[in-house]
Amino acid sequence: QQQVKQSPQSLIVQKGGISIINCAYENTAFDYFPWYQQFPGKGPALLIAIRPDVSEKKEGRFTISFNKSAKQFSLHIMDSQPGDSATYFCAAGGGSQGNLIFGKGTKLSVKP
Amino acid sequence: KAGVTQTPRYLIKTRGQQVTLSCSPISGHRSVSWYQQTPGQGLQFLFEYFSETQRNKGNFPGRFSGRQFSNSRSEMNVSTLELGDSALYLCASSLLTATQETQYFGPGTRLLVL
Repeated sequence: QQQVKQSPQSLIVQKGGISIINCAYENTAFDYFPWYQQFPGKGPALLIAIRPDVSEKKEGRFTISFNKSAKQFSLHIMDSQPGDSATYFCAAGGGSQGNLIFGKGTKLSVKP
Repeated sequence: KAGVTQTPRYLIKTRGQQVTLSCSPISGHRSVSWYQQTPGQGLQFLFEYFSETQRNKGNFPGRFSGRQFSNSRSEMNVSTLELGDSALYLCASSLLTATQETQYFGPGTRLLVL
């Protein structure tokens, strides 16, 4: 009930391509779905987050798609750049920003 | 605006000892959360504090405890350290208003238990 499953574990994309990372959750009480970007030696950084009342949210090159009935959400990175190479984590939680269950992470490499 | 500060950045302890880690949130942020990050288990939620009250707690043993002070600074304590407690401990401060959701992580404290 408390798991968040993230796929793929690793992803290689060419510069300019679209990176897609998927997550699935189990607990229907979750109402907050953020994505984080983490570079080696740094703490995670909140990229974008969505609530269940919308199916899509876009911020710059980053888009979250949310499917409430399927209990799935995904991150799309458009026009991927080498500087986007990092580990990406999805998370899900309910009631506050702090109490989150994280996916295992996706290591993204964008090749020039 | 200064970011989230965590001290110390690195720490080496031996089994059975205790450790206290500190987190200073961004000014104006009243919510502080703590996470443990390991290669095997990934990122796991420890606890969350808001206005000096523990609001949520993750699935960790009682050896892990925390508190928040009136200036929103937070500390976490781990007693009777075990080898498996070796990890990166991350603190995040959050601000949630009707129009804005922001959250910032600190750089973490890397704890090695020998």
